[in-house]
Amino acid sequence: NAGVTQTPKFQVLKTGQSMTLQCAQDMNHEYMSWYRQDPGMGLRLIHYSVGAGITDQGEVPNGYNVSRSTTEDFPLRLLSAAPSQTSVYFCASRSNTEAFFGQGTRLTVV
Amino acid sequence: AQKVTQAQTEISVVEKEDVTLDCVYETRDTTYYLFWYKQPPSGELVFLIRRNSFDEQNEISGRYSWNFQKSTSSFNFTITASQVVDSAVYFCALSERTGRRALTFGSGTRLQVQP
Repeated sequence: NAGVTQTPKFQVLKTGQSMTLQCAQDMNHEYMSWYRQDPGMGLRLIHYSVGAGITDQGEVPNGYNVSRSTTEDFPLRLLSAAPSQTSVYFCASRSNTEAFFGQGTRLTVV
Repeated sequence: AQKVTQAQTEISVVEKEDVTLDCVYETRDTTYYLFWYKQPPSGELVFLIRRNSFDEQNEISGRYSWNFQKSTSSFNFTITASQVVDSAVYFCALSERTGRRALTFGSGTRLQVQP
């Protein structure tokens, strides 16, 4: 059982570069979301999706785009990376009662 | 709006001591879920427990126990006879039961268990 798979695990970007963080789940969950974790601040919601074709903003959406073309995949795109986006990113998939997290992506923007 | 407060930023104990991690939450929802996660130094989030808002029964799992008190909006976590392997950051989180179902996290409590 793969659960939630996030790639890459580590990434270093230069300011202004773009990239996509991948997230896939094999549990047929409708609800998926992206969080960022910064020191002393816990995890904060970036974007979420309640099903294929439906996405919405969380608390800290600026600088990020998402799409949900399939139930399985929920990629997070950084169009023009900034040092303020240096963080650890987690993808999550929800059933009605449980929340499953990917392993995280440690992103550094220099 | 939902809010989770973990007032203890860092706790240091000596092995075999008992330790309680506090969690206080705010929500306007009448039904919700509460979670605890452990984040070891390796960085992944390890699920510990989920509690439904209408189930106030306390729970014990080995050395771990949880005290849910709806009247005080608290969901505290106790580790009995702590071990070095318990050293980690612990997060309390709150989730809607419907709607976007996103989790609202506290800022975490770093627990250091000294040998």
